[in-house]
Amino acid sequence: DGGITQSPKYLFRKEGQNVTLSCEQNLNHDAMYWYRQDPGQGLRLIYYSQIVNDFQKGDIAEGYSVSREKKESFPLTVTSAQKNPTAFYLCASSIRPRELEAFFGQGTRLTVV
Amino acid sequence: AQSVTQLDSQVPVFEEAPVELRCNYSSSVSVYLFWYVQYPNQGLQLLLKYLSGSTLVKGINGFEAEFNKSQTSFHLRKPSVHISDTAEYFCAAKGFSGGYNKLIFGAGTRLAVHP
Repeated sequence: DGGITQSPKYLFRKEGQNVTLSCEQNLNHDAMYWYRQDPGQGLRLIYYSQIVNDFQKGDIAEGYSVSREKKESFPLTVTSAQKNPTAFYLCASSIRPRELEAFFGQGTRLTVV
Repeated sequence: AQSVTQLDSQVPVFEEAPVELRCNYSSSVSVYLFWYVQYPNQGLQLLLKYLSGSTLVKGINGFEAEFNKSQTSFHLRKPSVHISDTAEYFCAAKGFSGGYNKLIFGAGTRLAVHP
């Protein structure tokens, strides 16, 4: 079955550590996205990629980094510069950049301990 | 500013009762509108979308939404809810920023269906 797989589902990080969240899709979609979800705030866009080897900052990119070396993969690194990283992170994809019907993964809940 | 406003953060309702979840969008976003549902600790699933055409849009699980341009609204409705409809619902609209298209989400409405 085609879809978006995020791993791990739960992740714990010590302060000062970098962690990488995985996102893989087998839908052959060109565009991929990372969102952060906090209670009562909806979803906020962190990074966006239209094609391989290209990505743009979203609304809250500070303290995060991404790569897009393969069409199927769009990993997100939460760096130690992100001061409040505890949140639910959602990866999504759409068939084309201008096609905004997005398909979402199941999310990764990151907790700083 | 481009924004989507969901007027109710929580909506409690009894099983088999009708429900309406309200969504308003700013005139600066385009009228490509979406409703997503999120069950606990899961991703978002598309319920329905409005791109053009008929203002009444039907989606999955018996939900429908009506696009009202004059009131800049896109309210979600269901005539009879089930316990399984308990979830968080997000309204979203297409926006444009920094040279690219993006989805702008509302803050979400938590629907709680009680027996």
